[in-house]
Amino acid sequence: AQKITQTQPGMFVQEKEAVTLDCTYDTSDQSYGLFWYKQPSSGEMIFLIYQGSYDEQNATEGRYSLNFQKARKSANLVISASQLGDSAMYFCAMSSSGAGGTSYGKLTFGQGTILTVHP
Amino acid sequence: DAGVIQSPRHEVTEMGQEVTLRCKPISGHDYLFWYRQTMMRGLELLIYFNNNVPIDDSGMPEDRFSAKMPNASFSTLKIQPSEPRDSAVYFCASSLVKIGTEAFFGQGTRLTVV
Repeated sequence: AQKITQTQPGMFVQEKEAVTLDCTYDTSDQSYGLFWYKQPSSGEMIFLIYQGSYDEQNATEGRYSLNFQKARKSANLVISASQLGDSAMYFCAMSSSGAGGTSYGKLTFGQGTILTVHP
Repeated sequence: DAGVIQSPRHEVTEMGQEVTLRCKPISGHDYLFWYRQTMMRGLELLIYFNNNVPIDDSGMPEDRFSAKMPNASFSTLKIQPSEPRDSAVYFCASSLVKIGTEAFFGQGTRLTVV
């Protein structure tokens, strides 16, 4: 069974500062994917970034980067230069992957971290 | 593509009534997921389909819940009879089989059972 743990119920950051949101995972699968989603107060789920378990480089997408430490089973999200619009709930999630580039699809989510950006 | 489309966006119903939530996934996606989000339990996977076939329904809380996917472009989640504890936001999402592709979520249906 897969498990995602986000230990920070809430985080605060000053505008323009960087912030790290923690995520640890547990799985017996050799091949898996890790995702981060953002859920603003309006409720929609917005995909931010993806990291594959065999990717050697940490994933980056604009101001988002994923600090992937496989041995520690952690996949922390780093947001650089925080903006007021970054205030939202952030979810870490994982899926298992099969051979041949296929995904098993099923996503397991953590409990989420509420990020508040102060001006 | 318009993305994953869910209807209705909001539903208020009385306890004991049947509720049907609808979802149109993104064309060409292989997987369809139904999630429920509550303050207490967070995001829970209820059921998911691969090519219209239910793969894992272990998250469906009770027999009162049922889901169907009669074709690649439509799925329903039905609750009969509904209870106040079913009040939640229900998300539908779809994705491809290909590794590294994210799941795309609909806007969600906020269900309130009174």
